[in-house]
Amino acid sequence: DGGITQSPKYLFRKEGQNVTLSCEQNLNHDAMYWYRQDPGQGLRLIYYSQIVNDFQKGDIAEGYSVSREKKESFPLTVTSAQKNPTAFYLCASAESADTQYFGPGTRLTVL
Amino acid sequence: AQKVTQAQTEISVVEKEDVTLDCVYETRDTTYYLFWYKQPPSGELVFLIRRNSFDEQNEISGRYSWNFQKSTSSFNFTITASQVVDSAVYFCALSEAIKAAGNKLTFGGGTRVLVKP
Repeated sequence: DGGITQSPKYLFRKEGQNVTLSCEQNLNHDAMYWYRQDPGQGLRLIYYSQIVNDFQKGDIAEGYSVSREKKESFPLTVTSAQKNPTAFYLCASAESADTQYFGPGTRLTVL
Repeated sequence: AQKVTQAQTEISVVEKEDVTLDCVYETRDTTYYLFWYKQPPSGELVFLIRRNSFDEQNEISGRYSWNFQKSTSSFNFTITASQVVDSAVYFCALSEAIKAAGNKLTFGGGTRVLVKP
């Protein structure tokens, strides 16, 4: 089945650790996005990528990094520089600039 | 800068009642897109509708309907004869005009709908 997968579903991080969240899509979409959602709030854009080997910062990119080496994959690394990383992270993909479709999300908790 | 406001943070209704979710947006673009997404307790955002700024026709899809009024910068969403399965958080979102670099979505804060049996 076509879709967007994110792993893991739950992730726990110790202070000072880097962690990487996985996002894979088999929809052959060009564009991919990472959003952060805090409790009771809307989504905020972290990074997005329109094509392989190219990506742009969103509104809250500090403390995060991404790569886009393959069309179907857009991993997000939460670095130790991110001061408050506990949140729900959602990945999305879209056919060029069309409607964005979302994965099931990863819930990250800092211990 | 773009902005989306969903003034209602939570709405509680009894099953079979109608519920209307308000969405007001701000943008300087003349061409833009508006979206509604549903976020059930599982967390995944489910796409419901996309509307471009040139199409002000109202739309109905089953028990869902949308009222787009450019004059008041509003894109309201109504669930008719609500059901328990409609309980979720609903987000309104706005995107910039389509550009080669990709469109960015600006989300409202969401409205939590609780439908009681």
